Amino acid sequence: AQSVTQLDSQVPVFEEAPVELRCNYSSSVSVYLFWYVQYPNQGLQLLLKYLSGSTLVKGINGFEAEFNKSQTSFHLRKPSVHISDTAEYFCAVSDYKLSFGAGTTVTVRA
Amino acid sequence: EAGVAQSPRYKIIEKRQSVAFWCNPISGHATLYWYQQILGQGPKLLIQFQNNGVVDDSQLPKDRFSAERLKGVDSTLKIQPAKLEDSAVYLCASSSGTGGQETQYFGPGTRLLVL
Repeated sequence: AQSVTQLDSQVPVFEEAPVELRCNYSSSVSVYLFWYVQYPNQGLQLLLKYLSGSTLVKGINGFEAEFNKSQTSFHLRKPSVHISDTAEYFCAVSDYKLSFGAGTTVTVRA
Repeated sequence: EAGVAQSPRYKIIEKRQSVAFWCNPISGHATLYWYQQILGQGPKLLIQFQNNGVVDDSQLPKDRFSAERLKGVDSTLKIQPAKLEDSAVYLCASSSGTGGQETQYFGPGTRLLVL
């Protein structure tokens, strides 16, 4: 069985400030890790994914995430956010089936 | 490339009524998924198809939910009869393969409100 915990349900941040969204997972087998973003009234869109290799993964829109196997974490970061980054962010883990966390709402303020 | 299409976008029904949702995946994608996203939660997989066969329906409430994917392309998800707790967004996704590393592409969802 696998599960995902997103440690922050809401993250308010000012424009041009950095942001970090925390994600921890549990699984008894090797997994793949994903971050998806959901803009208002839209479906989910892949930001980035970790399959193997380098633990630092770069994604779209300036986001990156670091896989830490010993801490079973996959935190998402962006050094400078824009108003347009206001959205819900979901961390997900997959062995053969995708399991999502509850999501983190990011609100970027001017 | 056209994305995943879903209809309707919104639906309001009364409890005990039936409802159906339609999904057209990305052309050529063999795998299709239906998820339920309750407000404040992440999406939960209801059913996964590969072509027109069911791969996983372990979390589908089969006493009231049914899904089919005729000819391995379009899919419909039906709820009969609906309960208040079925109020949610129903997301359809597709991918080119079935491995756990595949990227899933999501449609905009159908927002269902059961009164």
